[in-house]
Amino acid sequence: DQQVKQNSPSLSVQEGRISILNCDYTNSMFDYFLWYKKYPAEGPTFLISISSIKDKNEDGRFTVFLNKSAKHLSLHIVPSQPGDSAVYFCAASDGNKLVFGAGTILRVKS
Amino acid sequence: DAGVIQSPRHEVTEMGQEVTLRCKPISGHDYLFWYRQTMMRGLELLIYFNNNVPIDDSGMPEDRFSAKMPNASFSTLKIQPSEPRDSAVYFCASRQANYNSPLHFGNGTRLTVT
Repeated sequence: DQQVKQNSPSLSVQEGRISILNCDYTNSMFDYFLWYKKYPAEGPTFLISISSIKDKNEDGRFTVFLNKSAKHLSLHIVPSQPGDSAVYFCAASDGNKLVFGAGTILRVKS
Repeated sequence: DAGVIQSPRHEVTEMGQEVTLRCKPISGHDYLFWYRQTMMRGLELLIYFNNNVPIDDSGMPEDRFSAKMPNASFSTLKIQPSEPRDSAVYFCASRQANYNSPLHFGNGTRLTVT
């Protein structure tokens, strides 16, 4: 059973527009959420996180929104840049281990 | 800070052979994780250690898989015997003890079992 789900395998966006990546989770014990970005032949790198006591966290062009009642979080990238093209993983923590979604491939077209 | 170091980067082996993947975590990190990435399942947690002690190995697929952490600077993931369905990218990651500390990943080992 997948506790963290990213239902969109891929997303294509025009440069300068907003990219919205979505993630759903099922385990109510998750209280910390993260997004990672992965380029080919490299390991995932940490991008942004949010605690369950917040509903929004912003870092430059990246904003993560958390809707606890819906068990849903999203990552907004604005404006999108070609260098943002990568695989984005959503992850959730129960205090010890991190559970990842299957990833969404983002392509930003110039 | 050299980051998490994994070796080898690529491993090609025949079915039935033993495979050993290696990981050196970031110095000072108390937690070490082994993940496997496949197209179908994304990033799966296999096992994690805290202060060299295995805490949760519920993600290890079968008895053919085993992991050790003999000291704070080294861990191995062994598959014996290997099977074609074990083909995947295996990542090692480490983090500090702080609950909110993010994971730092190595660049992975791409394993191909023919």
